[in-house]
Amino acid sequence: GQQVMQIPQYQHVQEGEDFTTYCNSSTTLSNIQWYKQRPGGHPVFLIQLVKSGEVKKQKRLTFQFGEAKKNSSLHITATQTTDVGTYFCAYTSGTYKYIFGTGTRLKVLA
Amino acid sequence: NAGVMQNPRHLVRRRGQEARLRCSPMKGHSHVYWYRQLPEEGLKFMVYLQKENIIDESGMPKERFSAEFPKEGPSILRIQQVVRGDSAAYFCASSPGGGASDTQYFGPGTRLTVL
Repeated sequence: GQQVMQIPQYQHVQEGEDFTTYCNSSTTLSNIQWYKQRPGGHPVFLIQLVKSGEVKKQKRLTFQFGEAKKNSSLHITATQTTDVGTYFCAYTSGTYKYIFGTGTRLKVLA
Repeated sequence: NAGVMQNPRHLVRRRGQEARLRCSPMKGHSHVYWYRQLPEEGLKFMVYLQKENIIDESGMPKERFSAEFPKEGPSILRIQQVVRGDSAAYFCASSPGGGASDTQYFGPGTRLTVL
């Protein structure tokens, strides 16, 4: 089956620094979603990317889907303490089954 | 507009007891999914249900685990004779349809602790 690797596993940044997490697949993905999970919380949907080379922005967050639809990235500009949490990518296997990446745990040091 | 609701939020059981986890999907959503998350890990798909039908239970252990989504009422994930390894967060998600582009929205989860 498809394998999705998410890197890095952990990231500590100083408040104000930028942060990027990457999701890499061995095969072409039909779409990719990004979720954020705060400590002790539940996954919250951020965005879905479908098109090759697609770029979407949400305030300080920039999401990108690779041209070959095998990788995706989430970039946060000027991190804030509210950005703390685990960021997961997920893709659908078949029509409905979400396969989640292992997540990147972000800590922001004030 | 209420989101996905799950109860209880925290559940403590002793080994050998039964655990019942409930999930009410978002209004207008007829597709329900259950996921399990072990500490420091990602979410693992367990089962996908529509009203009165189990569509895919390939991620659910064959023994002790069962799920249902009756015509009326919430979806139930039942774990019989719980063991310590069942301790995890169990998340329910719902979507309006079962297609690849249908976003799944997650409930707050039930954190099960088995003593």
